[in-house]
Amino acid sequence: QVQLVQSGAEVKKPGASLRLSCKTSGYTFTDHAIDWVRQAPGQRLEWMGWINTGTGDIKYSQNLQGRVTFTSDTSAATAYMELSSLTSEDTAVYYCARDVSGHNGNWGQGTLVTVSS
Amino acid sequence: EIVLTQSPGTLSLSPGERATLSCRASQSVSSTYLAWYQQKRGQAPRLLIYGASSRANGIPDRFSGSGSGTDFTLTITRLEPEDFAVYYCQHYGNSPRTFGQGTKVEIK
Repeated sequence: QVQLVQSGAEVKKPGASLRLSCKTSGYTFTDHAIDWVRQAPGQRLEWMGWINTGTGDIKYSQNLQGRVTFTSDTSAATAYMELSSLTSEDTAVYYCARDVSGHNGNWGQGTLVTVSS
Repeated sequence: EIVLTQSPGTLSLSPGERATLSCRASQSVSSTYLAWYQQKRGQAPRLLIYGASSRANGIPDRFSGSGSGTDFTLTITRLEPEDFAVYYCQHYGNSPRTFGQGTKVEIK
């Protein structure tokens, strides 16, 4: 069955960077893009962008452009998300999700990121 | 950017009742690219409906989606105890893909 397993919770100081991973299994990694979505406490879901793991094409949300980087490792069937210059507003649960024609039927369990001095 | 506004913010209903959730877009959205998700506390979202009206794998037929243009609806015909959760609509036709602010369906 399709599974996405994300790396563990992180605590970061303001100004730091973070790198999260999303290890997939149960399907051909390069057949589907990976989307990244985050959710700040008590807030709505926020789409961060996607990476086409087959072509390498990437789309970032303009809100995060310049601070976020998506990469993927086909041999490990794993996607990565890096976010720099962290502030308290980046405190959120970060999700990866398999993109099937734009919608997301399979999600990782989420990674809680806390940014605090 | 397409803004999705969901109403009501909270819906208080009893098990067995019908729930009707609304999602209004700030500009026309192709029906092909409108989805509904369910999210329970501490869990990842779960895809219910895609393409405005197609049920995702394993989703019970008490869940249905409809609508076009700027107005979309998620209907739960008879609420089961496990259906009390927060529901989000999302458009995914172009970037940025945005979500509504959510409708919480709570037990009355």
